[in-house]
Amino acid sequence: EVQLQESGPGLVKPSQSLSLTCSVTGYSITSNYWGWIRKFPGNKMEWMGYISYSGSTSYNPSLKSRISITRDTSKNQFFLQLNSVTTEDTATYYCASQIRRVFAYWGQGTLVTVSS
Amino acid sequence: DVQMTQSPSYLAASPGESVSISCKASKSISNNLAWYQEKPGKANKLLIHSGSTLQSGTPSRFSGSGSGTDFTLTIRSLEFEDFAVYYCQQYNEYPPTFGAGTKLELK
Repeated sequence: EVQLQESGPGLVKPSQSLSLTCSVTGYSITSNYWGWIRKFPGNKMEWMGYISYSGSTSYNPSLKSRISITRDTSKNQFFLQLNSVTTEDTATYYCASQIRRVFAYWGQGTLVTVSS
Repeated sequence: DVQMTQSPSYLAASPGESVSISCKASKSISNNLAWYQEKPGKANKLLIHSGSTLQSGTPSRFSGSGSGTDFTLTIRSLEFEDFAVYYCQQYNEYPPTFGAGTKLELK
């Protein structure tokens, strides 16, 4: 069974970078697509981007200048970096397996608060 | 971006009842719609894709219908485990976009 688990700091200061790790078990990240999604307070959800089995990436245009998704295939992990965060980036961040833009498996999510 | 409008935002029901949740897209998305279930402390679960295709493991009391701009998730004979938040998501166009969720509460 595919399992995903997010990890990273729960508190980030404004203007700094948010960095999260998604650890995947039960499936190799060199297959399929692997994405990040976030849910804001109030439940609005936003797809942020993905990294593919080959390492190519695609990002939501709303974030394109601030986001980077990378991976470490030796550890079967992929990563999210979001730069220049503001309080509006406070959200629960999820990693998920993405097949044809459908999210078949999700992590449980990690809350990141942006505050000084 | 394609806007997804879910209704109602909240729904109260009792076990054994049937409920329906609506999801409307701002433009036609063919049948490229998925439904997810969110429960506290658990990973979100994909219930339905392609508008009406049950994901493996989804109980048969769940059904999806619709195409174009109007979609419906129906849950027949509610069980206690079904009380959760439900989201629709379109994947016809990039970026994929989600509805705001429907919280199904115990009456």
